[in-house]
Amino acid sequence: DAGVIQSPRHEVTEMGQEVTLRCKPISGHNSLFWYRQTMMRGLELLIYFNNNVPIDDSGMPEDRFSAKMPNASFSTLKIQPSEPRDSAVYFCASSSPVLAVLTDTQYFGPGTRLTVL
Amino acid sequence: AQSVTQPDIHITVSEGASLELRCNYSYGATPYLFWYVQSPGQGLQLLLKYFSGDTLVQGIKGFEAEFKRSQSSFNLRKPSVHWSDAAEYFCAVGARAGGTSYGKLTFGQGTILTVHP
Repeated sequence: DAGVIQSPRHEVTEMGQEVTLRCKPISGHNSLFWYRQTMMRGLELLIYFNNNVPIDDSGMPEDRFSAKMPNASFSTLKIQPSEPRDSAVYFCASSSPVLAVLTDTQYFGPGTRLTVL
Repeated sequence: AQSVTQPDIHITVSEGASLELRCNYSYGATPYLFWYVQSPGQGLQLLLKYFSGDTLVQGIKGFEAEFKRSQSSFNLRKPSVHWSDAAEYFCAVGARAGGTSYGKLTFGQGTILTVHP
């Protein structure tokens, strides 16, 4: 299995530009998570989906952030407009909770390192 | 709501020495517990997990962890550390079932392990 795939691995952009991060979960997994990792705040859950439906987006910092999951094999996290404080590593993870009510192992992608100048 | 505390931000050990990384959790019932490891520039990799049964859990790379309900702890141990174990270690807790918490993991702030030769 290829594991969770994220693209791009690195992104450098200027303030005000739109940024789109992409994630392909492990085939057969029905839960997908977006995290942000910074030195100051550690690992933060931004949003998670179950069966392509957003379940909890309380971690999304502002309206500038949006996430979609149009199908079971693809998700995007968009930042528009981007700001320097958005610079971080963004991780996508997927899991397959049993019976949709039990927590199970999350498998992480390699991350996207975003730098906003 | 669940929470995780890793009291040690940074630990330094000599190669060959034993290791114990502390993790305390807060949760209303018996939680699901995880330890992940993150090498520089990489995503998080699962070391081990506790769901039920034997409270001493064996993981990959020679790691083990013990769930102690009375102390709300899930400390990670290794009898002899190798230089390749240098990384950041995260403890995480997941809700058992139900509600909007299912599927979510709450991570601690992480413990950075440095290994001296």
